[in-house]
Amino acid sequence: SQTIHQWPATLVQPVGSPLSLECTVEGTSNPNLYWYRQAAGRGLQLLFYSVGIGQISSEVPQNLSASRPQDRQFILSSKKLLLSDSGFYLCAWCTGSGNTIYFGEGSWLTVV
Amino acid sequence: GENVEQHPSTLSVQEGDSAVIKCTYSDSASNYFPWYKQELGKRPQLIIDIRSNVGEKKDQRIAVTLNKTAKHFSLHITETQPEDSAVYFCAASYRDDKIIFGKGTRLHILP
Repeated sequence: SQTIHQWPATLVQPVGSPLSLECTVEGTSNPNLYWYRQAAGRGLQLLFYSVGIGQISSEVPQNLSASRPQDRQFILSSKKLLLSDSGFYLCAWCTGSGNTIYFGEGSWLTVV
Repeated sequence: GENVEQHPSTLSVQEGDSAVIKCTYSDSASNYFPWYKQELGKRPQLIIDIRSNVGEKKDQRIAVTLNKTAKHFSLHITETQPEDSAVYFCAASYRDDKIIFGKGTRLHILP
C-alpha cells in the first residue's frame, strides 16, 4: 500500500534562518505532489505542486521554494525565514487529476 | 481565477440535527470534488468525494450533492454526533492537476 512520510514533525526556527522540509511517498510511481500551508485556524493554501521530476509549479510568490530531485521526493525550502512563514505545512500526493489526495502528517513550523 | 468559496465559516448545530456546508467553484472544467475532515492538530482526512458525472453520493450519515450548472456542491451530515465536531474542507480539482481548497468550516455539535 502507499504511504507518505513527512519530516520533521515540529521545528522552531529563528527569523532569517534556512528551512528544509522533506516528504517522500512509497508504494507508487510518478505521483502528483503538493505542498500546502495552514496558518493557525485558517484554510489550506496551495504553495507548490509537481506532476513530475523537475516540474514545479508555484502558486504563491514568496521566499519559499520547492524541488523534486527524485520521483517520490518533494522538498520545501527557504533561505531566510520570516515570522509570517509560521504554520502547519502539509505534503500531499495523488495518482493524478481527479483522484483522491492523501496528506502527510504535517510539520509544525514556528518562526521566532 | 481559480477559487473555491466555502460557507459558513462556523456552524453550530444541536446533536442529532443536520448540518449543511456549501461550496462553489469557478472553473466549469473541474471534475473532482472531495471533502475532508480535520481534527485539531491532525492532517485532513477524506470523508467523501464526488465526480462530475454524478449528482449525489451518500455514505451512511454523510452525503454530497453536486450542481454542475451552478458550479455548486454541498456536504450534508445527518443525525450529528459529538465526534462530528471538527473543521471541514471542500476542494475542487482544476486544470494542470491543481487541487484548491475552501477556507474551511468549523462545525460545533452542541449537547
